[in-house]
Amino acid sequence: DTEVTQTPKHLVMGMTNKKSLKCEQHMGHRAMYWYKQKAKKPPELMFVYSYEKLSINESVPSRFSPECPNSSLLNLHLHALQPEDSALYLCASSHGDRGPNEKLFFGSGTQLSVL
Amino acid sequence: QQQVKQSPQSLIVQKGGISIINCAYENTAFDYFPWYQQFPGKGPALLIAIRPDVSEKKEGRFTISFNKSAKQFSLHIMDSQPGDSATYFCAARERRALTFGSGTRLQVQP
Repeated sequence: DTEVTQTPKHLVMGMTNKKSLKCEQHMGHRAMYWYKQKAKKPPELMFVYSYEKLSINESVPSRFSPECPNSSLLNLHLHALQPEDSALYLCASSHGDRGPNEKLFFGSGTQLSVL
Repeated sequence: QQQVKQSPQSLIVQKGGISIINCAYENTAFDYFPWYQQFPGKGPALLIAIRPDVSEKKEGRFTISFNKSAKQFSLHIMDSQPGDSATYFCAARERRALTFGSGTRLQVQP
């Protein structure tokens, strides 16, 4: 199994809603990531978890709240989002201790629209 | 500040031709340089990657050339096929953070 599975594939939410994005991998990877990708732009790093601990937070607004319940799961909790937060949210994972040979695997993403 | 500069923004190649995409970087702390292929509605998929102590890496029709002194690297797609039509991103890694180039939209015409 070399997949990173993200649910839901599409999400429409209002600015007052609370929703969560989910990500799962069963490759035994110990590093998991959230990226944000706007249309026709490259992915931008949001958060990195290493061994279930938050190791990188790229100055992301607090309306985005990540959670790593265990080594296979990664959530992104959304609250009071703005229309400009509409984007493709990508989850990724990597082995965690391969050093220079570390490879990053992406899921297909959740296309989020904030109305 | 754009840490990884990618060109061209778009590229049209005839079937069987060679596609060449270039990237340049400034940060000498980058230690890993992957290329990703992305189809519409999908996440990026790792295509090929290189470390800075290697000057060239080839996997099938895909080759990375790396020039450490010039801080440049490029992707060559030999015998380009219509199925290669996608957006290609170069990237560079420092610790666990990948920085992506702006992307190249490749169209291979039959």
